[in-house]
Amino acid sequence: DARVTQTPRHKVTEMGQEVTMRCQPILGHNTVFWYRQTMMQGLELLAYFRNRAPLDDSGMPKDRFSAEMPDATLATLKIQPSEPRDSAVYFCASALGPGQGGYEQYFGPGTRLTVT
Amino acid sequence: GENVEQHPSTLSVQEGDSAVIKCTYSDSASNYFPWYKQELGKRPQLIIDIRSNVGEKKDQRIAVTLNKTAKHFSLHITETQPEDSAVYFCAASKSNTGKLIFGQGTTLQVKP
Repeated sequence: DARVTQTPRHKVTEMGQEVTMRCQPILGHNTVFWYRQTMMQGLELLAYFRNRAPLDDSGMPKDRFSAEMPDATLATLKIQPSEPRDSAVYFCASALGPGQGGYEQYFGPGTRLTVT
Repeated sequence: GENVEQHPSTLSVQEGDSAVIKCTYSDSASNYFPWYKQELGKRPQLIIDIRSNVGEKKDQRIAVTLNKTAKHFSLHITETQPEDSAVYFCAASKSNTGKLIFGQGTTLQVKP
């Protein structure tokens, strides 16, 4: 049963520190999405990639957030410097991509980030 | 911009009753509409989806209906069970992007 994996599952850090979250998409999926979930804002799309190229990162605060796909099996989301308002659950999701009829997105278990 | 409205925000039903959650979307070019179930502390899980060329889809106790003219779609759960208790999210996307716009979620409580 192929699944999206994310590390770490939990992260507690102090304000100002750098945080890196990692995601391994389902093998063969070429589209990767980063979402943030909070009680107030719900599920928000931060950025997404297709074939490792960034397609849309308009949901991401550009001054402190960055997202990359160093290779097809790894996506990263980095926050530097972190702030208490970044506390949330960050989900990665992967899909085959619309071009291949693969609309379905499958979510990873999430990284619960707490910034104190 | 693109927007998905979901109602109600909370829904409490008795075990065995039916539950209906409704969503409306703003972008008429949207053509894919999934529903996700999220249990406390878990990942959102895809439970059913529908494409714009279909008006209704059913999978056991779960069904989804789509009215493209009105830009409405709904999730119907029949014979609810306590394990159906969770937060349900609707979403909409367009085939040229694949990115999902989510509704705000509905907390469903099924009372035994």
